[in-house]
Amino acid sequence: KAGVTQTPRYLIKTRGQQVTLSCSPISGHRSVSWYQQTPGQGLQFLFEYFSETQRNKGNFPGRFSGRQFSNSRSEMNVSTLELGDSALYLCASSPVSVAVANRVGYGYTFGSGTRLTVV
Amino acid sequence: GNSVTQMEGPVTLSEEAFLTINCTYTATGYPSLFWYVQYPGEGLQLLLKATKADDKGSNKGFEATYRKETTSFHLEKGSVQVSDSAVYFCALSRTLIGGTSYGKLTFGQGTILTVHP
Repeated sequence: KAGVTQTPRYLIKTRGQQVTLSCSPISGHRSVSWYQQTPGQGLQFLFEYFSETQRNKGNFPGRFSGRQFSNSRSEMNVSTLELGDSALYLCASSPVSVAVANRVGYGYTFGSGTRLTVV
Repeated sequence: GNSVTQMEGPVTLSEEAFLTINCTYTATGYPSLFWYVQYPGEGLQLLLKATKADDKGSNKGFEATYRKETTSFHLEKGSVQVSDSAVYFCALSRTLIGGTSYGKLTFGQGTILTVHP
């Protein structure tokens, strides 16, 4: 079956612009999480959606936002881009609610990421 | 808060050598522990997991045992291959007493492994 699909794979934006990244989870998966990966900070949690509701949010400024649609596809948006937003953005999906996933130790399936470069 | 500490890298080994990557954690409640692997240009893949103390996760020759007394989850492999060259991440997810849980993984900084023929 198809894995987690993230589009686009690469993106170059100018400081001050905004960007929207897309994530299509594995069919049947209802939970989608987003992570930012940078050489300096490593992997940091952005937010998590389940059944179109944001369930958890990391320590990022309000410029970072997201949403989930009824088909479980998710988008994240970054407004007023800064140079420091350059990173690999990873999306992960899980078939069950996060409460169940964590209780049984279900690892999430990650996409290949979107490489965002802000110039 | 939760945190995961991995051994400093990079780690360079010859093929068929024994591998250990250390991982220790700090968390309240009863975390589940994971090892993820990231190959160049790709996302993360779940390598193995353990959900409670003394559980051993294993996959593709890799093993890790959940040690609550030492708060550790060290990754081991008896004989590495060139194809094992990648970045390895230790991670935890937390479940509190009473079932409240959080939908995020807390990752270590990652350890770069390079295996030479």
